[in-house]
Amino acid sequence: DVKVTQSSRYLVKRTGEKVFLECVQDMDHENMFWYRQDPGLGLRLIYFSYDVKMKEKGDIPEGYSVSREKKERFSLILESASTNQTSMYLCASSFEGVPTLYGYTFGSGTRLTVV
Amino acid sequence: QKEVEQNSGPLSVPEGAIASLNCTYSDRGSQSFFWYRQYSGKSPELIMSIYSNGDKEDGRFTAQLNKASQYVSLLIRDSQPSDSATYLCAVNRGDSSYKLIFGSGTRLLVRP
Repeated sequence: DVKVTQSSRYLVKRTGEKVFLECVQDMDHENMFWYRQDPGLGLRLIYFSYDVKMKEKGDIPEGYSVSREKKERFSLILESASTNQTSMYLCASSFEGVPTLYGYTFGSGTRLTVV
Repeated sequence: QKEVEQNSGPLSVPEGAIASLNCTYSDRGSQSFFWYRQYSGKSPELIMSIYSNGDKEDGRFTAQLNKASQYVSLLIRDSQPSDSATYLCAVNRGDSSYKLIFGSGTRLLVRP
């Protein structure tokens, strides 16, 4: 089975801190994604990457950056955490080509609370 | 108009009944459609995918797609309390084969 592992299940950070969320997948997927999920708003795409060192903004990139130095690892960075970034963060990965035949595989999620 | 719309529910059905979950989408170029199940506090897991008009069955689950009406549905037969979860509809963006847009989900409650 494809595994997408997120480093932390729960995180509590202070306003203004720089926060790193890590995601690792073990199936050589080309595409990796970061979403946040909030009640009533569903899943919203923050950033995605289709190759090492390649990235594109999603729908809500403000306040976030990403890093993909290795194919298996995709990091989300909150440059200066704010309370409105309190959310569930979900990492996902998929194959290139016609990945939509298989959809995405999600990690277990990181619930981030900014105080 | 949201790109992918679902009724938030909750949809409450008795055990053993058929649960019908619906989703509409706005991008006529979309070609791939998915249903994910998400238990409370957990991440989404893929349960069905469909790409052609008509029905696709997998065990107790049937996905139905009507591209002309821009409508996709999920039927769950013989609903069980363990089916109680939020069901997310996901659709690929017509201009991108690998970007999915997710609906906000429908919460299903199966009463014992």
